[in-house]
Amino acid sequence: DTEVTQTPKHLVMGMTNKKSLKCEQHMGHRAMYWYKQKAKKPPELMFVYSYEKLSINESVPSRFSPECPNSSLLNLHLHALQPEDSALYLCASSQGLTSGSPNEQFFGPGTRLTVL
Amino acid sequence: RKEVEQDPGPFNVPEGATVAFNCTYSNSASQSFFWYRQDCRKEPKLLMSVYSSGNEDGRFTAQLNRASQYISLLIRDSKLSDSATYLCVVNGGIDTGGFKTIFGAGTRLFVKA
Repeated sequence: DTEVTQTPKHLVMGMTNKKSLKCEQHMGHRAMYWYKQKAKKPPELMFVYSYEKLSINESVPSRFSPECPNSSLLNLHLHALQPEDSALYLCASSQGLTSGSPNEQFFGPGTRLTVL
Repeated sequence: RKEVEQDPGPFNVPEGATVAFNCTYSNSASQSFFWYRQDCRKEPKLLMSVYSSGNEDGRFTAQLNRASQYISLLIRDSKLSDSATYLCVVNGGIDTGGFKTIFGAGTRLFVKA
């Protein structure tokens, strides 16, 4: 089962709100990713967790706070966002870096976020 | 120079045509290479990993030339359902733990009846 689930599908929030995006996978993958995708642009990597530890933070503003409670779950906490943060937020997972593995990533359907 | 560059497109082709997408990458230490397709307002879906020996999956053939830092995707006998954006994806080298993932800008393909 190559399924990554994300909730909610859509989210509208004000600039003073606090909200969280959730991602879950049950493929036994050990790496999980957050991406941001603006319209007509490719996904841009934000964070990578490997074995539940933050491995990459692509200089993302602190109003985005990732959390990996266990190997199956990944959250993205949002606080004091700006209208320009409106985008599709994609979660992905992969097996992780093992010998001989290309480390293919599988994406969830995304959360479409609008910041008013 | 962008880290991953693709043909800008769009490509407009008739059904049954053969179409080729090209991609170049700048980091010679890159470890893994992929082609994804993305339909409008959907998530990217893995099409295939790309290996130096070349690999084929039905109508799709991917090639990697590490010396030239070049990746290609060939689609034979195009179908209407192949219409999508094709994304070239490169995973970074060991200096980034191999997880740094960079997408090309994507090439839009329209297949017409």
